[in-house]
Amino acid sequence: NAGVTQTPKFRILKIGQSMTLQCTQDMNHNYMYWYRQDPGMGLKLIYYSVGAGITDKGEVPNGYNVSRSTTEDFPLRLELAAPSQTSVYFCASSYSLASRLFFGSGTQLSVL
Amino acid sequence: KNEVEQSPQNLTAQEGEFITINCSYSVGISALHWLQQHPGGGIVSLFMLSSGKKKHGRLIATINIQEKHSSLHITASHPRDSAVYICAVRSVGGATNKLIFGTGTLLAVQP
Repeated sequence: NAGVTQTPKFRILKIGQSMTLQCTQDMNHNYMYWYRQDPGMGLKLIYYSVGAGITDKGEVPNGYNVSRSTTEDFPLRLELAAPSQTSVYFCASSYSLASRLFFGSGTQLSVL
Repeated sequence: KNEVEQSPQNLTAQEGEFITINCSYSVGISALHWLQQHPGGGIVSLFMLSSGKKKHGRLIATINIQEKHSSLHITASHPRDSAVYICAVRSVGGATNKLIFGTGTLLAVQP
């Protein structure tokens, strides 16, 4: 059982570069989320999706974009990387708002 | 003041000890999650509860809605329990999809 698969695990970017963090889940979950985790801070929601074709901003969406063309995939796009985007990123999914969360293994991103 | 506060921030225990981690929150909630994060690892959901008590193996989670407080207990602690434990609440009203996370409790269990 794969669960939530997130790639890559590590990445170093130069300022101004772009990249896509991939997230796939095989549990047929409707809800998918992207969080970032900064030292000493709780996880912050970047974007979320309640189903294919539907996405919405979370608490810290600036500098990021998402799409949800299928139930399984929810990629996160960084267009112009900035040092402030250095963080650990987690993708998560749940069947509903009242269900357990399942997390990917995380992506450690450094922007230099 | 954070809407979700955990205590203690750091906890060191000897193997076999009974451990309690606390979570207090200041907003109305529909559910509370306890999560476990191992160093360099991913995040695993331990419990989701909206009332009462849940038990899974050596882990017990309780919640008191009136007091806006939850506890995570670990019985007969073991070094493999060493991890960061995170409390998160799903708030009611406002942004319906908002989970508010605590900053975590770093637990080290020494053999």
